[in-house]
Amino acid sequence: GDSVTQMEGPVTLSEEAFLTINCTYTATGYPSLFWYVQYPGEGLQLLLKATKADDKGSNKGFEATYRKETTSFHLEKGSVQVSDSAVYFCALISVFSGGYNKLIFGAGTRLAVHP
Amino acid sequence: NAGVTQTPKFQVLKTGQSMTLQCAQDMNHNSMYWYRQDPGMGLRLIYYSASEGTTDKGEVPNGYNVSRLNKREFSLRLESAAPSQTSVYFCASSEASRPDRGSPLHFGNGTRLTVT
Repeated sequence: GDSVTQMEGPVTLSEEAFLTINCTYTATGYPSLFWYVQYPGEGLQLLLKATKADDKGSNKGFEATYRKETTSFHLEKGSVQVSDSAVYFCALISVFSGGYNKLIFGAGTRLAVHP
Repeated sequence: NAGVTQTPKFQVLKTGQSMTLQCAQDMNHNSMYWYRQDPGMGLRLIYYSASEGTTDKGEVPNGYNVSRLNKREFSLRLESAAPSQTSVYFCASSEASRPDRGSPLHFGNGTRLTVT
């Protein structure tokens, strides 16, 4: 079945370091890919998305490129801040010809950024 | 604009007790969802409602029931709580009637439930 695999956390970085959180997926159909972020004590918020191969989603300095050949959607940021400390979820929506859509989340990766 | 509001924020139950988690959205969204979040497992769909008057099972529906009271409200009921239902529960809503690439889910802040 369809699935999303994320790198295990926690990821611990110093402020201004480069961030990569790996995400790979398995899907039938034609998936769209998403990154959601969950700040402490809050629900998930959409961070960025990409709906077809080679699309790049970006928001708040974060970027991710939809790579169909490697079935990946890695999240990157050039210089993290303490305020980026959160849990990040990779997700996909599989769209099937019969009209049934399914939203699947990865397990989440916790990021801790220290001053 | 409050978005998605969940109550209560915290709850402790004894095994066998019942309770209802409340969720309301003020964005005139069509679909609503209940997820549970457990460590290392991401979010798993319990039930969803594509539109007012309809509900469907998700991945992990056993032990739960739902009611789509009107377009705004979607409640989750535990009839006889079990320790395996200890989790954080999230309600979400979306403008589309199903998960859609152009219509993201909006989440509430969650209910942390402990069953002893």
